[in-house]
Amino acid sequence: QKEVEQNSGPLSVPEGAIASLNCTYSDRVSQSFFWYRQYSGKSPELIMSIYSNGDKEDGRFTAQLNKASQYVSLLIRDSQPSDSATYLCAVNTGRRALTFGSGTRLQVQP
Amino acid sequence: DGGITQSPKYLFRKEGQNVTLSCEQNLNHDAMYWYRQDPGQGLRLIYYSQIVNDFQKGDIAEGYSVSREKKESFPLTVTSAQKNPTAFYLCASSRQGHTDTQYFGPGTRLTVL
Repeated sequence: QKEVEQNSGPLSVPEGAIASLNCTYSDRVSQSFFWYRQYSGKSPELIMSIYSNGDKEDGRFTAQLNKASQYVSLLIRDSQPSDSATYLCAVNTGRRALTFGSGTRLQVQP
Repeated sequence: DGGITQSPKYLFRKEGQNVTLSCEQNLNHDAMYWYRQDPGQGLRLIYYSQIVNDFQKGDIAEGYSVSREKKESFPLTVTSAQKNPTAFYLCASSRQGHTDTQYFGPGTRLTVL
């Protein structure tokens, strides 16, 4: 079992729709969770971090964390073509550096 | 203007050569990291350092070496012992340690000729 799992996609949504990206992790002691966006050929850029159960909103982005079920998700409201990218979920257990999922490719259709 | 810089952006290596990738940060971060990314894959940890003059191996350290002589700098050497070095190399830093947010440099794309 991979430590951090994501559906590779592509996830295709129409412009203006809500995109829902999911991530599960295996280590129950995981403490902090991050979503990064990576455009093709570029380095990852931080979108959001979340540390506590529940929802955290930042503009069009909402991160959701459920530690009991060991999943974290990212919702993108009013999706735009510029949101088309690969979204990486990263988990930190506190023992070492981040563990990354392989990413979900999102395509927003105009 | 604070940030993380990596150089060069593109690097070509002949088989049997050692090459060194530069990573510098002016964010006053204590911790620095090196990751490798292969096409369609997530990031895999090569080495990390939480403090000057100290570093630890990550998941795929074989064939790589690092140094941390200054807080601002964490160069990565890809040695001839690394059998498949063609990849996208990313350097990151965080303010203190493992639970802090990591910020990434622009990356170096290494190709073996």
